[in-house]
Amino acid sequence: QITLKESGPTLVKPTQTLTLTCTLSGFSLSSSEVSVGWVRQPPGKALEWLALIYWNDHKRYSPSLRSRLSISKDTSGNQVVLTMTNMDPVDTGTYYCAHKPSSSEIATDAFDYLGPGALVTVSS
Amino acid sequence: QSVLAQPPSASGTPGQRVTISCSGSSSNIGSNYVYWYQQLPGTAPKVLIYRNNQRPSGVPDRFSGSKSGTSASLAISGLRAEDEADYFCAAWDDRMSGVMFGGGTKLTVL
Repeated sequence: QITLKESGPTLVKPTQTLTLTCTLSGFSLSSSEVSVGWVRQPPGKALEWLALIYWNDHKRYSPSLRSRLSISKDTSGNQVVLTMTNMDPVDTGTYYCAHKPSSSEIATDAFDYLGPGALVTVSS
Repeated sequence: QSVLAQPPSASGTPGQRVTISCSGSSSNIGSNYVYWYQQLPGTAPKVLIYRNNQRPSGVPDRFSGSKSGTSASLAISGLRAEDEADYFCAAWDDRMSGVMFGGGTKLTVL
């Protein structure tokens, strides 16, 4: 059974760096042709994709946030870490990590499992 | 502004059939799988439809997905009060090399 769980600070100050950890269960990034990503949702607004890391350590970032984001995985493949620099109140929202399955030769998949989310508030 | 376009709202009465559209382009819906998520108030999004028209186990067959060209639709038949939620579509975008989401549709059961 695939599950993901986010952890990290609930409150960060403007200009600080946010670090979030996603703990994986039911699969490992080191042994499967899958990937794990991060998605955020400001209160009352839409979902926004942030970053993605593949089992082979390839990485992809949202073009609009690329300069502020970094995604990595630990050597065991059981945790994924997202850092976002220079936090601003507009970055307030719920941050989800998500599992993306290995895709077919025909087409690429989106996310099939999301964690419960971590609410992050940016305020001084 | 979201890459995938959805109507901001939809509504129906119990028992009715409602459809929610999702419009994209050749780089996303036109060439990759469409996913649909249901987000009940205060909860995380849950996959309702994967790979255009597949339902995960546990999702009632009242929910169905379809795709044609660069557009997709989610249909809900036999509408029930507990279907009141936000619905999001998503697809991988080859040009952006990432997962793109629709702006979401708030479904109200009258």
